[in-house]
Amino acid sequence: GEDVEQSLFLSVREGDSSVINCTYTDSSSTYLYWYKQEPGAGLQLLTYIFSNMDMKQDQRLTVLLNKKDKHLSLRIADTQTGDSAIYFCAESSGGYQKVTFGTGTKLQVIP
Amino acid sequence: GAVVSQHPSRVICKSGTSVKIECRSLDFQATTMFWYRQFPKQSLMLMATSNEGSKATYEQGVEKDKFLINHASLTLSTLTVTSAHPEDSSFYICSAREDGTADQPQHFGDGTRLSIL
Repeated sequence: GEDVEQSLFLSVREGDSSVINCTYTDSSSTYLYWYKQEPGAGLQLLTYIFSNMDMKQDQRLTVLLNKKDKHLSLRIADTQTGDSAIYFCAESSGGYQKVTFGTGTKLQVIP
Repeated sequence: GAVVSQHPSRVICKSGTSVKIECRSLDFQATTMFWYRQFPKQSLMLMATSNEGSKATYEQGVEKDKFLINHASLTLSTLTVTSAHPEDSSFYICSAREDGTADQPQHFGDGTRLSIL
């Protein structure tokens, strides 16, 4: 079945850039997402990218996709303490297909 | 933008109680909704796919008689945890995709934290 892997923890200093990495196994993945979850809260969609794209930038967020290596990354520029949360990488192989989530990366921002 | 409302946000009840969680698409129609479960410090696992007007499709290992899903309208799906026990305590989240928008991501509710005493 589909598998999505992430590192469990990342610590950065406020103002630095954060890079969260993700690998997936499903070669038919069409949509790749990044979600943010703050403690005790639901999921917030940050951004998503189609598999035919290499990069997408949205303000402080940059998503890079290496489809050959099945590697996805999320870069957060000028990381703030409010960015501290768990970030989930996710993939879907079709518009109406289920979303498979990664294990989540806990981002800790040190003031 | 599209909003998914989930209710209640938190439930605390005694063992043996049945609990119903609602998932509503507020400003769009959703033939398909999804129910996920998240254990503490873990990722989200899909439990079932809810289809309006037909039976839900359950993932392997999920008891359909334990987790009853009803999708009676294009804007409402309900998940009932029957005879809940402490091991059912978890964070349940639903999602929905607007009909006709296959290229758009799913919209998630804020989740329901269920605690069984």
